[in-house]
Amino acid sequence: GAVVSQHPSWVICKSGTSVKIECRSLDFQATTMFWYRQFPKQSLMLMATSNEGSKATYEQGVEKDKFLINHASLTLSTLTVTSAHPEDSSFYICSARTAGGGNTEAFFGQGTRLTVV
Amino acid sequence: GQSLEQPSEVTAVEGAIVQINCTYQTSGFYGLSWYQQHDGGAPTFLSYNALDGLEETGRFSSFLSRSDSYGYLLLQELQMKDSASYFCAVWEYNTDKLIFGTGTRLQVFP
Repeated sequence: GAVVSQHPSWVICKSGTSVKIECRSLDFQATTMFWYRQFPKQSLMLMATSNEGSKATYEQGVEKDKFLINHASLTLSTLTVTSAHPEDSSFYICSARTAGGGNTEAFFGQGTRLTVV
Repeated sequence: GQSLEQPSEVTAVEGAIVQINCTYQTSGFYGLSWYQQHDGGAPTFLSYNALDGLEETGRFSSFLSRSDSYGYLLLQELQMKDSASYFCAVWEYNTDKLIFGTGTRLQVFP
């Protein structure tokens, strides 16, 4: 199956700093990538959808200026958490799919556990 | 939008059969998927139903009834390693987003 690599797998940062998380599709071109956030014992909540070369589409309630998403190529999307605060501590997971809609399978990165202290 | 509800927790013993239900309210979707997630890990794809009926993949089966807005995942011959969280998910028609259900934590006991 297709491989999505997410880096780093965990990060600890100080409050007020910014953190960048990378999501790469290693063996396929991902026209669309999704970013999810997951709090302990909860479901995956979609934050935003990014398409290569265009602006990301954010879900209601997600601050686009705080969670900057860049999808500069067909194999790389980045999520930058700006001015992080302790409430941003969470598990962030990216997902990528190939072109086409419908039942195309989504492939997930390993996730990034962010802890803001 | 989509709303997919699952029981929060299910417990069972090794060797047993367990069914995890997913009831939904949706404006339209391509099909119902199921994912498994172990603590600290990424979701892994288990099964997909595009049409009504039963899909079988080894010890796991999944069912969809669009008329009843209902689906389920059936796990047979449970093993300790099946202890994990299970999520149903749908691809929305208009937006092509993958939306997850509330999730069910399965605990398998010896």
